[in-house]
Amino acid sequence: NAGVMQNPRHLVRRRGQEARLRCSPMKGHSHVYWYRQLPEEGLKFMVYLQKENIIDESGMPKERFSAEFPKEGPSILRIQQVVRGDSAAYFCASSPAPRSTGGFGSPLHFGNGTRLTVT
Amino acid sequence: GENVEQHPSTLSVQEGDSAVIKCTYSDSASNYFPWYKQELGKRPQLIIDIRSNVGEKKDQRIAVTLNKTAKHFSLHITETQPEDSAVYFCAASYAGSQGNLIFGKGTKLSVKP
Repeated sequence: NAGVMQNPRHLVRRRGQEARLRCSPMKGHSHVYWYRQLPEEGLKFMVYLQKENIIDESGMPKERFSAEFPKEGPSILRIQQVVRGDSAAYFCASSPAPRSTGGFGSPLHFGNGTRLTVT
Repeated sequence: GENVEQHPSTLSVQEGDSAVIKCTYSDSASNYFPWYKQELGKRPQLIIDIRSNVGEKKDQRIAVTLNKTAKHFSLHITETQPEDSAVYFCAASYAGSQGNLIFGKGTKLSVKP
C-alpha cells in the first residue's frame, strides 16, 4: 500500500518563475492537506481539499498561491512568480473522510515533502 | 480558531532518562491529539495519538496523557535511546475543522549516549 507520494523531492526555481508541486494521497484517502515548513520551524497549515473542492484555504497567502485537487490526477500546489521567501519544505498529507472516524479527527499521513529553493 | 502551544522548544536528556513534552490547546471542541516525530530532512511520522474520550494511552516506551479540563496533553518517553533524538510535534484537531490539524512549534529532543 503506497503512502502519500509527492514529487518532485527537490525543486529549484529562479525568482519570478512558477513552481508546481504534486501530491497523490494514500489509497482510500479522499482528503488532502498542504503544509509549509520553514527551516527550524513547525508545520504551517495552508489548504485542505477534497476532490474538486477546496474545504479550507485559510492558511494560503492571498496572492500567487493556489491549489487544486481534480477529479482525476494528483493534487497540485501552484506558486506563481516565486520569491526567495517561498523557499521551504512543502508537505502534503492525506486522511480518510472525517465521518469515517466517528466524529473525531483522524491522523494525517505525510508525504516526503518537496523542498523548494528559490535562487 | 485553534491555537496550540508546545514546551519546551529544546530538551536534552541522558540515555535511559525520561523525557516529557507538554502542549496546551485553546479550543475546548478539539477532540483528537496526535504526536509526530520528524527526523532531520524527513517527513513527520505519527508515533501516538489520543482521542478526547480517553485520558491516557500507552505504546511501549511512549505514553500520552490528556487533561480536558485544563486543555493540555503531554508526551512521555521512558528509557530514552539515541535514536529517539528528533523533533516532536503535538497537534490538535476538532470535528468542526473537518480533520485539519493545528501543530505546535515543535520540541527538539537530544538524547546523549
